[in-house]
Amino acid sequence: GAGVSQSPRYKVAKRGQDVALRCDPISGHVSLFWYQQALGQGPEFLTYFQNEAQLDKSGLPSDRFFAERPEGSVSTLKIQRTQQEDSAVYLCASSWGQGEAFFGQGTRLTVV
Amino acid sequence: ELKVEQNPLFLSMQEGKNYTIYCNYSTTSDRLYWYRQDPGKSLESLFVLLSNGAVKQEGRLMASLDTKARLSTLHITAAVHDLSATYFCAVSRGIGGGADGLTFGKGTHLIIQP
Repeated sequence: GAGVSQSPRYKVAKRGQDVALRCDPISGHVSLFWYQQALGQGPEFLTYFQNEAQLDKSGLPSDRFFAERPEGSVSTLKIQRTQQEDSAVYLCASSWGQGEAFFGQGTRLTVV
Repeated sequence: ELKVEQNPLFLSMQEGKNYTIYCNYSTTSDRLYWYRQDPGKSLESLFVLLSNGAVKQEGRLMASLDTKARLSTLHITAAVHDLSATYFCAVSRGIGGGADGLTFGKGTHLIIQP
C-alpha cells in the first residue's frame, strides 16, 4: 500500500477486556516497530520485528502485552486484561532495513 | 540507558520571529531524526541527520547535529502560523541506523501567533 495502515483507528475497551491492534506495513519493509504514545508525551518504543523475528521486546510494559508478525508482513499488538493506564495512541512504523521509518496514523485506545 | 531531552517543551512565538529548539541525548548514537506531529495526526519525518556537523534545511526549518556535544538544534526562521505543531527529536536506540527503533524526546509544543 501507499503507507502504513493501522486498524482500528479508535478503540474503546472496558477494563479487563482483551484488544488486538493491527498494522499493515509498507509493502517490502522488513522492519516493523510498535510505539506507545501517552497524551502529551513522545512515543515510547515497545517492540520491533525484522521480518517475522521479534528482535527486541524490551519496551513492552508488562506480560499483558504481546506482539506478533507471523508471516513477516502484517503485525498484531495484543493487550490482555486492559487497564486504564493502557489508554494511549499505539503507533506502528515500518522501514526497509536501516532506512527511514514511516509511521501509521495510530490506534487511539481508551480503556473505561 | 539512552535519554533524549528537548527544550523548551512549550513555545509560543509571534509570526516573523526566529527561534531554536534544542535536543540533547545521553549516549552515542549514529542517527538523529526530527519529526513533526499535528494534533490527532501521526508523525511526519522532517530531517535525518547522520554525521557530526550535518546541517539540513527545508523551507523555514534548519536542523543541525553536533555528535561530540550530543546536541541537535532545530532552527525556525521567520515563523509562520502553519508551522504550529509539536516537534520531536528522536535518536536511534542502537547502532542499527534506526532499524532497531528510536528513543524520542517529550516534544516541543510550538504555537505561532499572528
